[in-house]
Amino acid sequence: EAGVTQFPSHSVIEKGQTVTLRCDPISGHDNLYWYRRVMGKEIKFLLHFVKESKQDESGMPNNRFLAERTGGTYSTLKVQPAELEDSGVYFCASSQVAGWLAGYTFGSGTRLTVV
Amino acid sequence: DAKTTQPNSMESNEEEPVHLPCNHSTISGTDYIHWYRQLPSQGPEYVIHGLTSNVNNRMASLAIAEDRKSSTLILHRATLRDAAVYYCIRPFNAGGTSYGKLTFGQGTILTVHP
Repeated sequence: EAGVTQFPSHSVIEKGQTVTLRCDPISGHDNLYWYRRVMGKEIKFLLHFVKESKQDESGMPNNRFLAERTGGTYSTLKVQPAELEDSGVYFCASSQVAGWLAGYTFGSGTRLTVV
Repeated sequence: DAKTTQPNSMESNEEEPVHLPCNHSTISGTDYIHWYRQLPSQGPEYVIHGLTSNVNNRMASLAIAEDRKSSTLILHRATLRDAAVYYCIRPFNAGGTSYGKLTFGQGTILTVHP
């Protein structure tokens, strides 16, 4: 079974630019989550999709962040315009059933550096 | 908040058992206990989870106290590859719009000596 795939693995952009991160969950996994770790901090929840619907976006830091999951397959997370404090590692995770009943599979993450 | 408490760090020797403790004194009857680990430069990796009974899988064992206020992740024979940050987490499962999200704490940094 293929795992959760994220790309790019690294991205360096200038402040004010736009970046789009992509996550391909495990096929058949309806639940998709985005998390991030900013420098020196803990991993934080951003949002949760069930198929194409946003189930919980309480962790999204502000309206510069836009997540989509058209068709309920892959998801994108766009940051526009990027700020220095957006630097960090962005993780995507997926699960077939609600996460607390089983476990999540995480991708390797996208390391975003805003300069 | 789904609070758990873990030691900041632990050390072990290779091929010895490791017992990683976690306190979750405010746990409710329906809260599962999950363990994840994160190896350097990788995403978190699911290890094991349980509700009331002790659980075993190919990676580890999970011993849950009878009152469920604490649990212990057991690595039966530590290897160098087990060096990682281990997270004990209570996934939010109150239903509604927030079910399943994970609240990561600082975790326990496990160092394995050859």
